[in-house]
Amino acid sequence: RKEVEQDPGPFNVPEGATVAFNCTYSNSASQSFFWYRQDCRKEPKLLMSVYSSGNEDGRFTAQLNRASQYISLLIRDSKLSDSATYLCVVNDPRGSYIPTFGRGTSLIVHP
Amino acid sequence: NAGVTQTPKFQVLKTGQSMTLQCAQDMNHNSMYWYRQDPGMGLRLIYYSASEGTTDKGEVPNGYNVSRLNKREFSLRLESAAPSQTSVYFCASSGGDSYSPLHFGNGTRLTVT
Repeated sequence: RKEVEQDPGPFNVPEGATVAFNCTYSNSASQSFFWYRQDCRKEPKLLMSVYSSGNEDGRFTAQLNRASQYISLLIRDSKLSDSATYLCVVNDPRGSYIPTFGRGTSLIVHP
Repeated sequence: NAGVTQTPKFQVLKTGQSMTLQCAQDMNHNSMYWYRQDPGMGLRLIYYSASEGTTDKGEVPNGYNVSRLNKREFSLRLESAAPSQTSVYFCASSGGDSYSPLHFGNGTRLTVT
C-alpha cells in the first residue's frame, strides 16, 4: 500500500459546482498534512495546511479524519481557474519529517 | 523576494554526460530537498538535507549525488546521465519542523537522449 493515496481523477465539473477530494495515508503517527496546487507541471504551490480541527480559506475547506486516516479538500463554487492538479502531502514523522506526496488529483472545471 | 531559485530551467544531455543542478534559498530554511516528477508518478524524493552538513537518500537516489554547500545551497549532480533520468526536477526548502510547508523552485526540465 502506498503511503499517501489519491484518486487521480480527472474530476470534471461545471462552474459553480462543489467538489471534494480525499487523500488517505498509511502512517497513523503522521501529524501534519498539506494540500498543494500544481498547474501544468509548474512548481507545486501551497494551498492549505490541514489542522486537526479543520480549516477554511474562502471557498476551500480542509478536514482531517484521524480515525480513518484521511484528509479531504472541499472546493465550493468552482471557478475555471481552479482547474489544476491537487497534491496531498503528509509529513512522515520518522526522523526528519520527510514530506511524502500523493500522485495528485486532476480537476477540470468547464463552463 | 526570490524564495527558492533553481538553475538551469531547461537542459538537454546526451547519455553519459554529467551535469549539476543548482538550488539556492534565501529564507534561512534548515531543510532542503530534491524531487523528480514523472507523468503518472507524482513527486518522488531523490535526496534531502535536514540541516547544513547532512544529506540523506530519499526514495529514488540511484544515479544522483548531492552537496549541501552551505545553509543556502543544495546541488544535485548526475555523474553519467541516462534516458531514465529524463524528468522534471524540483528543489524545495522548509523550516524543517513537522508543521513547516515546502517552498519550491521553478523546476528544471531535463531531457537525456
